[in-house]
Amino acid sequence: DADVTQTPRNRITKTGKRIMLECSQTKGHDRMYWYRQDPGLGLQLIYYSFDVKDINKGEISDGYSVSRQAQAKFSLSLESAIPNQTALYFCATSDPNIRSNEQFFGPGTRLTVL
Amino acid sequence: AQSVTQLDSQVPVFEEAPVELRCNYSSSVSVYLFWYVQYPNQGLQLLLKYLSGSTLVKGINGFEAEFNKSQTSFHLRKPSVHISDTAEYFCAVSVPNFGNEKLTFGTGTRLTIIP
Repeated sequence: DADVTQTPRNRITKTGKRIMLECSQTKGHDRMYWYRQDPGLGLQLIYYSFDVKDINKGEISDGYSVSRQAQAKFSLSLESAIPNQTALYFCATSDPNIRSNEQFFGPGTRLTVL
Repeated sequence: AQSVTQLDSQVPVFEEAPVELRCNYSSSVSVYLFWYVQYPNQGLQLLLKYLSGSTLVKGINGFEAEFNKSQTSFHLRKPSVHISDTAEYFCAVSVPNFGNEKLTFGTGTRLTIIP
């Protein structure tokens, strides 16, 4: 079984709709992250959480919100989706006891906003 | 703040030929360096990492990278590539920060293996 799972894997939606992307992990890591990937831009950090009570904005948080429901679950919401949020979204985890912040990634969610 | 530059967005290479994917970083302090690989329709997977010590780092699938502090580089190499190496490769850097490190990624290099 995958250590970091994301649902859905693919989603097509319309402008203005609310969308939630979910991430679950079985690695027991406290830290979780949401990134978006756009062609030619690499990965950009949207939000991160160092534990259940900690939520932090990343480089590009505008238009997004997150919820850390438990150590194992971290959800990303688009309150009112717009076409330029069409991208590949990745969830990642890391263990604070391992120096360097090596991160472990889920398989990604491909989101298309029409 | 740290930054990462991957100079080549696409690299085509013939099968069984050697390859080097270039990565340069910018930081005023010491860093940790990583190479991740993303196979088609998959998430990112760690290839190798440099934390300290020996500047030549060996990773999975026959890849290796060399940390060069004077040139602020961490180039990825493989002596003989295979079709299965077709993927996108990301260089990333983090700065030691008492457990608050964040990863900064480069823009990626798409490696295409030509049969």
